[in-house]
Amino acid sequence: DAGITQSPRYKITETGRQVTLMCHQTWSHSYMFWYRQDLGHGLRLIYYSAAADITDKGEVPDGYVVSRSKTENFPLTLESATRSQTSVYFCASRSGGAYNEQFFGPGTRLTVL
Amino acid sequence: GQSLEQPSEVTAVEGAIVQINCTYQTSGFYGLSWYQQHDGGAPTFLSYNALDGLEETGRFSSFLSRSDSYGYLLLQELQMKDSASYFCAVTSGGSYIPTFGRGTSLIVHP
Repeated sequence: DAGITQSPRYKITETGRQVTLMCHQTWSHSYMFWYRQDLGHGLRLIYYSAAADITDKGEVPDGYVVSRSKTENFPLTLESATRSQTSVYFCASRSGGAYNEQFFGPGTRLTVL
Repeated sequence: GQSLEQPSEVTAVEGAIVQINCTYQTSGFYGLSWYQQHDGGAPTFLSYNALDGLEETGRFSSFLSRSDSYGYLLLQELQMKDSASYFCAVTSGGSYIPTFGRGTSLIVHP
């Protein structure tokens, strides 16, 4: 399917477990982003990538790891999940240029027990 | 750093006009974007302003004043389906990475 997809859509895990959220886009967009959305905080940037093998921290990177070996994939890993990482996670992509719109995936709702 | 301020909630009646304001503080400003998000959905792009003035797209318009570090989203002929959260986002610096505001919940009453 064309577009940007995320998997899983829902995930329940336990404190201390490693979790990987997947993001895949079919447009060959250069930029990809991971956001978390919590009530009262809007969208906060976790990590972003300007191209394959280029990643950089956003506003709230602690406890998260990313990689981007292929342009179309941008997985986000929680190395040791904590309750404070319970959130809705959105992946987004964008072609180059500040004026271009970001396209968001459908989101992954993660609950850490 | 960067900061954005927008009202947390706005209410209006169907058919009316509503304005959602956004003020920002940043250095190296490039542009201001607006996104819409319905409950349980993903944010979707509405508009982008890089220059001063009003941009109109159907019932939605977006305004920017760079000298005042201020912008707004204007929604006309409100419909029930316009009930959603609206986020402003400022792009600045050299990385073209937007920073989002906390969002405004628009509630449209019949």
